[in-house]
Amino acid sequence: SQTIHQWPATLVQPVGSPLSLECTVEGTSNPNLYWYRQAAGRGLQLLFYSIGIDQISSEVPQNLSASRPQDRQFILSSKKLLLSDSGFYLCAWSVQGLNEQFFGPGTRLTVL
Amino acid sequence: KNEVEQSPQNLTAQEGEFITINCSYSVGISALHWLQQHPGGGIVSLFMLSSGKKKHGRLIATINIQEKHSSLHITASHPRDSAVYICAVRSYAGGTSYGKLTFGQGTILTVHP
Repeated sequence: SQTIHQWPATLVQPVGSPLSLECTVEGTSNPNLYWYRQAAGRGLQLLFYSIGIDQISSEVPQNLSASRPQDRQFILSSKKLLLSDSGFYLCAWSVQGLNEQFFGPGTRLTVL
Repeated sequence: KNEVEQSPQNLTAQEGEFITINCSYSVGISALHWLQQHPGGGIVSLFMLSSGKKKHGRLIATINIQEKHSSLHITASHPRDSAVYICAVRSYAGGTSYGKLTFGQGTILTVHP
């Protein structure tokens, strides 16, 4: 069966510090991968999606970047965090060509 | 106006009550999802539907494509149903196949014993 992992589960970082959140998927090959952010009191927003290794599309301009160095690994990064980067970050995967997405447990990021 | 609107935003019920959460959308879609987010943040997919009605246990989801509207019903509600329920739609936007979803704001459901 397929599983999706995210770490860390929670993170508190000072403004201006770097960020690296990792997402890995097991039990499937060549998945579509997604990074979402849920800011406090707001709905989920798609940040990045990837259809393959080193193939990343950004949905909104922002302070973050994403990379996919391996087929089942998706990394969300920032060189310098802003206060507005605080939120709940969710990784998700789907089988290419199909609709249903499966979500990871999420990372709660607080930037102070 | 958001592409996906949910109502109500907050819903409080007594255990055993029948609950309905509504979702309206303004774009053509290929599928609609109902998701459940627990207080810890984890999200679980409840339903994915493109027509008609689906039932799973005490949960029922319906969709009317012509009216661009979907409802999620919970029968015999229980305190463990307390969560945020999120409607999300996958639009046809340019024939993409990557499964991009547009999310509603969510409905916060609290069921009291």
